[in-house]
Amino acid sequence: DTAVSQTPKYLVTQMGNDKSIKCEQNLGHDTMYWYKQDSKKFLKIMFSYNNKELIINETVPNRFSPKSPDKAHLNLHINSLELGDSAVYFCASSQGFADTQYFGPGTRLTVL
Amino acid sequence: AQSVTQLDSQVPVFEEAPVELRCNYSSSVSVYLFWYVQYPNQGLQLLLKYLSGSTLVKGINGFEAEFNKSQTSFHLRKPSVHISDTAEYFCAVSDYNQGGKLIFGQGTELSVKP
Repeated sequence: DTAVSQTPKYLVTQMGNDKSIKCEQNLGHDTMYWYKQDSKKFLKIMFSYNNKELIINETVPNRFSPKSPDKAHLNLHINSLELGDSAVYFCASSQGFADTQYFGPGTRLTVL
Repeated sequence: AQSVTQLDSQVPVFEEAPVELRCNYSSSVSVYLFWYVQYPNQGLQLLLKYLSGSTLVKGINGFEAEFNKSQTSFHLRKPSVHISDTAEYFCAVSDYNQGGKLIFGQGTELSVKP
């Protein structure tokens, strides 16, 4: 009964490949987010969706494309992976903009 | 644009000692403030948050924080730490007008030694 789940937990791939990370929340929340945590543990928002509508797009390269098939899911697709994409990616969800964000366990992406 | 500064990147402390983790944010008309904790190889968990009202906020695991508008600070405190409090702590600010975007500080690594 995990609140926010992500798959896979680890992802190792070669430069130039395309990969996806999936996120699902069973909290009934309206808003979902993607954050990137770099090797220095700095966290930065990438995207947010509210009721399947894109709300925030933080100047992320267009190789990154979020997709929200329904309110409970927000997937992240990355094209033409680069070495600099190596990081931990966290999905989160909240009921409203001022509400607590609940984070998933993270997906550690390593690009070789 | 909003920014958050955590003044200490690492805080070593002995078990049962008090601890304060410092956080300052850039001024804005209305902000919401949060402290999250990240244990090794895990996601983030909310410790406490300030939305409005009383400036002293109590959270989980015995932590508390005080919102100081004049000093634009939101320092986290615990009177007596345990080994299990060893983790990375993140201060964050959210501007309601920016769609709930959380802006994080750089993190403070709390290391509790026996």
